[in-house]
Amino acid sequence: GQNIDQPTEMTATEGAIVQINCTYQTSGFNGLFWYQQHAGEAPTFLSYNVLDGLEEKGRFSSFLSRSKGYSYLLLKELQMKDSASYLCAVVDSNYQLIWGAGTKLIIKP
Amino acid sequence: GAGVSQTPSNKVTEKGKYVELRCDPISGHTALYWYRQSLGQGPEFLIYFQGTGAADDSGLPNDRFFAVRPEGSVSTLKIQRTERGDSAVYLCASSTSLADEQYFGPGTRLTVT
Repeated sequence: GQNIDQPTEMTATEGAIVQINCTYQTSGFNGLFWYQQHAGEAPTFLSYNVLDGLEEKGRFSSFLSRSKGYSYLLLKELQMKDSASYLCAVVDSNYQLIWGAGTKLIIKP
Repeated sequence: GAGVSQTPSNKVTEKGKYVELRCDPISGHTALYWYRQSLGQGPEFLIYFQGTGAADDSGLPNDRFFAVRPEGSVSTLKIQRTERGDSAVYLCASSTSLADEQYFGPGTRLTVT
């Protein structure tokens, strides 16, 4: 079966750095997305990786290792508004998006 | 520009009733997806359309669920004989093509009493 694993919840301090990991086992791979979802709202796009390596976009970076079935989302200079769930999703061989359950990130002052 | 819109935003219905949920994607997006999401879970894939045809409906849980996109734009998710277990937020997303970034609508919160 297909599986996406990410931690259920993480806590970090305002101004700090946090890394949210995602491991996946899917039938085929056509890219990996990270989405942010605030409570009661729809997911919004953060990043996309299809090749190995690091993609940087402002305070957020995403890393991919296809051989290890592993990705992480790195958030720097954390702000209170970063408190949200972060969803990892993989595009499989049928171009279907397989979603993880999300990591709830709690930012403390 | 206009994003993905969904109506209604909230729907409360009695067990056994029929409901229709509507999604209006971003203009020009050929791919349209339906998901449902329960609290604390990621989106659960239901169906996606490429143009007017259902390219993959393997996520529909049973034959009470059906979706159409007759003109390749607006889509309607139809649920017959609703059950309490159908209660969830139903999300619609669209993209320019498969495997591209998906833009989500605000969702319809369905409550079956």
